[in-house]
Amino acid sequence: QQQVKQSPQSLIVQKGGISIINCAYENTAFDYFPWYQQFPGKGPALLIAIRPDVSEKKEGRFTISFNKSAKQFSLHIMDSQPGDSATYFCAAAIETSGSRLTFGEGTQLTVNP
Amino acid sequence: DSGVTQTPKHLITATGQRVTLRCSPRSGDLSVYWYQQSLDQGLQFLIQYYNGEERAKGNILERFSAQQFPDLHSELNLSSLELGDSALYFCASSARWSETQYFGPGTRLLVL
Repeated sequence: QQQVKQSPQSLIVQKGGISIINCAYENTAFDYFPWYQQFPGKGPALLIAIRPDVSEKKEGRFTISFNKSAKQFSLHIMDSQPGDSATYFCAAAIETSGSRLTFGEGTQLTVNP
Repeated sequence: DSGVTQTPKHLITATGQRVTLRCSPRSGDLSVYWYQQSLDQGLQFLIQYYNGEERAKGNILERFSAQQFPDLHSELNLSSLELGDSALYFCASSARWSETQYFGPGTRLLVL
């Protein structure tokens, strides 16, 4: 059972545009929601994370929006750059249970120059 | 560089064989996680160790086993390998029970 659903599967944006990736979860016990960025041949790297007590978190060009009632969260990449081209994974975890990550399916982002 | 190291980077073996993947966590990290990444299953949690003890199990096959040693490095043992075991295997570590996980570069396993 896929507990975290991610969309779109792939995304192409122009340089300077806004990239938006969405995730929805089922398990209301999840209390930690990180986003990971993965480049080809590399391991996933933490980009930004949010906990359900806040509705938005911003770090530089990256913003997470969180809607607890809808059980949805999204990643916004402002002023997207070609160097942002990578695969992005949303994830969810229950911190009191050791934080094993349940990942979404991934979104392959391509930013055209 | 996350500080997590994994060896080997690549592994090619035959069906029915047994392999061992090794992970060294970041200095001081007590928790080690193993994940499998495949095209059809995506990124899936396999197993977690904390300070030498197994803490959580995910979708790990009975043919797979892991352990964490006193120096905190971990090994993932895969036996009776099948074609479908071909995947990227990642190790991640975190300082304590519920903190940010840092991923290693992965081991790419190809079973022929």
